[in-house]
Amino acid sequence: GNSVTQMEGPVTLSEEAFLTINCTYTATGYPSLFWYVQYPGEGLQLLLKATKADDKGSNKGFEATYRKETTSFHLEKGSVQVSDSAVYFCALLINTGTASKLTFGTGTRLQVTL
Amino acid sequence: NAGVTQTPKFRVLKTGQSMTLLCAQDMNHEYMYWYRQDPGMGLRLIHYSVGEGTTAKGEVPDGYNVSRLKKQNFLLGLESAAPSQTSVYFCASSPHRDAQETQYFGPGTRLLVL
Repeated sequence: GNSVTQMEGPVTLSEEAFLTINCTYTATGYPSLFWYVQYPGEGLQLLLKATKADDKGSNKGFEATYRKETTSFHLEKGSVQVSDSAVYFCALLINTGTASKLTFGTGTRLQVTL
Repeated sequence: NAGVTQTPKFRVLKTGQSMTLLCAQDMNHEYMYWYRQDPGMGLRLIHYSVGEGTTAKGEVPDGYNVSRLKKQNFLLGLESAAPSQTSVYFCASSPHRDAQETQYFGPGTRLLVL
């Protein structure tokens, strides 16, 4: 079956530090890959996506590259801010015969301090 | 556009009580989904719908029922609530099953079953 594995949190960083959150996946077929972000008390928001191998998704200084050879989609940011504190979810999307279904990782909490 | 809205935002139930969670979207999307979010488990799909009048089971459907009488609304029902259904419930919608499309999430409903 399809699954997503994320590094366990919480991840605590100082402002301006470099961020990496690891994500690997198992899937039958050719999934699209996503990173969602959930700020405290809010729903999930799409952060970035990549739909095929070697694509790079980017948004708000965050980047992730779809690596088919290592089945990975690691999230990176060069300099985090306090406002980046949130829970980050990696997800994959596979079309089935009836509907596209998102499979989520368990989420990684990021805490950025001054 | 309001996007995806959910009613209520928070509810406390006693074991055995029933309730209905309402999801509404104003984007004319065909597909709608109900997820639950539990600590350390990411989001899990409860039920989904591929169009008005249709529903299908997701990963964790037991104890829940759904209805899609109107295209813009997707209702999630708990006939006899149990403490194991304490969770945060998210509704999502998407225009079609193309792998390059993503799901748009509502802000969530926090449910506590005592």
